[in-house]
Amino acid sequence: NAGVTQTPKFRVLKTGQSMTLLCAQDMNHEYMYWYRQDPGMGLRLIHYSVGEGTTAKGEVPDGYNVSRLKKQNFLLGLESAAPSQTSVYFCASSTEREGRGTGELFFGEGSRLTVL
Amino acid sequence: AQKITQTQPGMFVQEKEAVTLDCTYDTSDPSYGLFWYKQPSSGEMIFLIYQGSYDQQNATEGRYSLNFQKARKSANLVISASQLGDSAMYFCAMRGWSGTYKYIFGTGTRLKVLA
Repeated sequence: NAGVTQTPKFRVLKTGQSMTLLCAQDMNHEYMYWYRQDPGMGLRLIHYSVGEGTTAKGEVPDGYNVSRLKKQNFLLGLESAAPSQTSVYFCASSTEREGRGTGELFFGEGSRLTVL
Repeated sequence: AQKITQTQPGMFVQEKEAVTLDCTYDTSDPSYGLFWYKQPSSGEMIFLIYQGSYDQQNATEGRYSLNFQKARKSANLVISASQLGDSAMYFCAMRGWSGTYKYIFGTGTRLKVLA
């Protein structure tokens, strides 16, 4: 059972380059989230989606774009990478609403991105 | 707006003793869930415990319990009989069940269990 899979796991970019992180989940979850984790700052929500075809801004959306064309996939894009976007990125998914489980997040393993 | 505050960047506890990790929150959602996650040094995120805003009793899961005080907007995690394997980063999180459905985290508390 794969759960939540993130690709790539590691990536080094130069300033100004673009890239896309892919998150795939096989649990038929409605909700998907992208976070970044930086030392001392916890996990900060970048963007999230409450269903196929929907996206919404989180706490730190600037410099990122997302798409949810298929229910199982949530893509995070960096159009012009900056050194400030060096971070570990986590994708997560959860069930739809209260009553259908606890709504706990199921996380991917994380993607470490370095922007030079 | 939603906000989670964890005021203890780091804590030490002696093996076999209990420890409380603090978490306070703020939200405008009438219905919400509170969560604790553990992140060991290996980096994966592990779900520990959940408390719904309308739950009458405090949640418990094995050695973990959540001390939920709704009026104070606090959701502290209590770990009983600490073990060396409990050494990790602990995050408090909150999700609204109406409104925005944002799922946000605090800055975390690093717990070190001493032998």
